[in-house]
Amino acid sequence: DSGVTQTPKHLITATGQRVTLRCSPRSGDLSVYWYQQSLDQGLQFLIQYYNGEERAKGNILERFSAQQFPDLHSELNLSSLELGDSALYFCASSRTVQDYYGYTFGSGTRLTVV
Amino acid sequence: LAKTTQPISMDSYEGQEVNITCSHNNIATNDYITWYQQFPSQGPRFIIQGYKTKVTNEVASLFIPADRKSSTLSLPRVSLSDTAVYYCLVGDLRDDKIIFGKGTRLHILP
Repeated sequence: DSGVTQTPKHLITATGQRVTLRCSPRSGDLSVYWYQQSLDQGLQFLIQYYNGEERAKGNILERFSAQQFPDLHSELNLSSLELGDSALYFCASSRTVQDYYGYTFGSGTRLTVV
Repeated sequence: LAKTTQPISMDSYEGQEVNITCSHNNIATNDYITWYQQFPSQGPRFIIQGYKTKVTNEVASLFIPADRKSSTLSLPRVSLSDTAVYYCLVGDLRDDKIIFGKGTRLHILP
């Protein structure tokens, strides 16, 4: 157990639907990062939050959004889902932005869009 | 962020020492070198990080030459469970995000 909790572990939904993925960072970590990993793609950075504020954005689609709440958990919202959104979505956390010990990743949410 | 180049895949046998080399010719003064390991359907796991010379922990060693234009991850006496993708990342720890490349797919054979 890495200390980063992601729910749900698996999600199957239809095209056009909206889903919310949840991440609880490791205790004491202030930064949360979201990554997408498709079968034929590497890990794609989506977005980062630090202590409730958006810090950095990657190749995140406009249909996707995220937020970090006062208790530091984060949610990734995916809407108007397409077949190509099927992927593993990972959340990672770190103590601060400048973390010499690397990120800690959760075990991911596998999203299947049918 | 410095661009990294590492082999797409490698095969080795149980009990062998495996060395995975990563090239990063454009590494900057403030950049650190970090390696992650990812098993199928799991999130990446931090293995080791270094700035120069040699770093060793209970899992691996990281060798960085004086010019820092490359680095080598060394896994001693691998087992079947070391089959995974290994990512080399180079960046300033003040960066807001880390970018993963394609990694090296290591396959350990019995």
